[in-house]
Amino acid sequence: DAKTTQPPSMDCAEGRAANLPCNHSTISGNEYVYWYRQIHSQGPQYIIHGLKNNETNEMASLIITEDRKSSTLILPHATLRDTAVYYCIVRRNAGNMLTFGGGTRLMVKP
Amino acid sequence: ETGVTQTPRHLVMGMTNKKSLKCEQHLGHNAMYWYKQSAKKPLELMFVYNFKEQTENNSVPSRFSPECPNSSHLFLHLHTLQPEDSALYLCASSQDLVGGETQYFGPGTRLLVL
Repeated sequence: DAKTTQPPSMDCAEGRAANLPCNHSTISGNEYVYWYRQIHSQGPQYIIHGLKNNETNEMASLIITEDRKSSTLILPHATLRDTAVYYCIVRRNAGNMLTFGGGTRLMVKP
Repeated sequence: ETGVTQTPRHLVMGMTNKKSLKCEQHLGHNAMYWYKQSAKKPLELMFVYNFKEQTENNSVPSRFSPECPNSSHLFLHLHTLQPEDSALYLCASSQDLVGGETQYFGPGTRLLVL
C-alpha cells in the first residue's frame, strides 16, 4: 500500500474553509485516494474519492496534484459538526482493503 | 444511517464468557468486513468476506471467530477474550472486492472485557 502522511491535528473557524492536506508520494498509477472521517465513537463515514481529476460532491472537494503525490480535502464552510478525525487512504491494489493511518483530528471552533 | 447496523452497541463481558457481535447490511452488497479500533490506535482490518467466503484473515487470534451465513449478515463470535481486546468493533460492507468500491461502516460495538 502507498503510505499516507497527514498532520495529526488542525483547527478551523466555523464558517471558514477547512483544507486538510495529505501526502502520498509513493502512490501507484492505478491507486485511488479516499477520504473518510470518523466522528467521536461512531463508524467511519465515506466522504469522497478520486484518481487523477479533482472531485466535488455535496460534502467536500478533493484536489489532487498533477503528479498525484499529494491531495487536499476541502470542506468549504466548516461547521461544528465537522469536528472529527479525517483519514486519507490510498487503496490497496489487491482486493478492496482500506488501511487506516492516524488521520488528522480537525477541531472546528466557534 | 449508512444501511449497516450493528448489535449490540455496547457489550461488557468477562474473560470466560462467550458472546457474539452481529452486523447486518441492507445495501445489497456482497463483501463484508470486520475492523477493530483500540484506544488511540488506527483501525485494523480483521476479516473480509466476499459472497460468504472468507478472503482475508489479518492474523487474528482464534478467540475471534467470524461467521457469514449470507451476504447480508456477518457475526463475530467471541470467547475467552482478554482485557486488551476491549475496543470498538466496526463492521463495513461494499458492493464487492473490486478495487475502488466504497465501504460503508456501521456504528460499531464498543466492547469492554473485564
